[in-house]
Amino acid sequence: LAKTTQPISMDSYEGQEVNITCSHNNIATNDYITWYQQFPSQGPRFIIQGYKTKVTNEVASLFIPADRKSSTLSLPRVSLSDTAVYYCLVASSGGYQKVTFGIGTKLQVIP
Amino acid sequence: DAGVTQSPTHLIKTRGQQVTLRCSPKSGHDTVSWYQQALGQGPQFIFQYYEEEERQRGNFPDRFSGHQFPNYSSELNVNALLLGDSALYLCASSLVGGEGETQYFGPGTRLLVL
Repeated sequence: LAKTTQPISMDSYEGQEVNITCSHNNIATNDYITWYQQFPSQGPRFIIQGYKTKVTNEVASLFIPADRKSSTLSLPRVSLSDTAVYYCLVASSGGYQKVTFGIGTKLQVIP
Repeated sequence: DAGVTQSPTHLIKTRGQQVTLRCSPKSGHDTVSWYQQALGQGPQFIFQYYEEEERQRGNFPDRFSGHQFPNYSSELNVNALLLGDSALYLCASSLVGGEGETQYFGPGTRLLVL
């Protein structure tokens, strides 16, 4: 299982773009990179998933370099409601999946 | 499209008791995973069920057991409850063969052991 490393916490002002980088040096060929958002006492919410290059959806972008040893979640123009813990996960598909969470990045958005 | 649902939302038990938590997967999903999340920590993988069998297990004692039903719903059972079992229990569902086998989480069940 690829281990991930991400900053424990980050602060950002409202309206700014936030980039959270995750390192996963031991990522395997068939691993996908997935990011989740979690508010206190709620289940993690899927944000975005990618395998390589760049993925964009209505809430975020995910940048993955060619070596796939890291990835960056980009949140455009954050608001106070984006204050949450963000988890970077690396998991393999192919029938058997065991997802391991780290402690995540606590993002605090400041007015 | 119904998402992952869990019941009950909250539960209070005393040490030594047994508890059963329930999960219904997202429509179209066939795999259910269970996680335990202590306060301030990331979710810890308990086990995963597919085709009514446990196929992956994390580092949890045998007091933790589960079941998956033919309709893909699942139960998590915890016997001989300890104070340390107090946590948020999360269920996640996925589809075998789906792209990345993305897991979608339910709202969780908050268990308090007194």
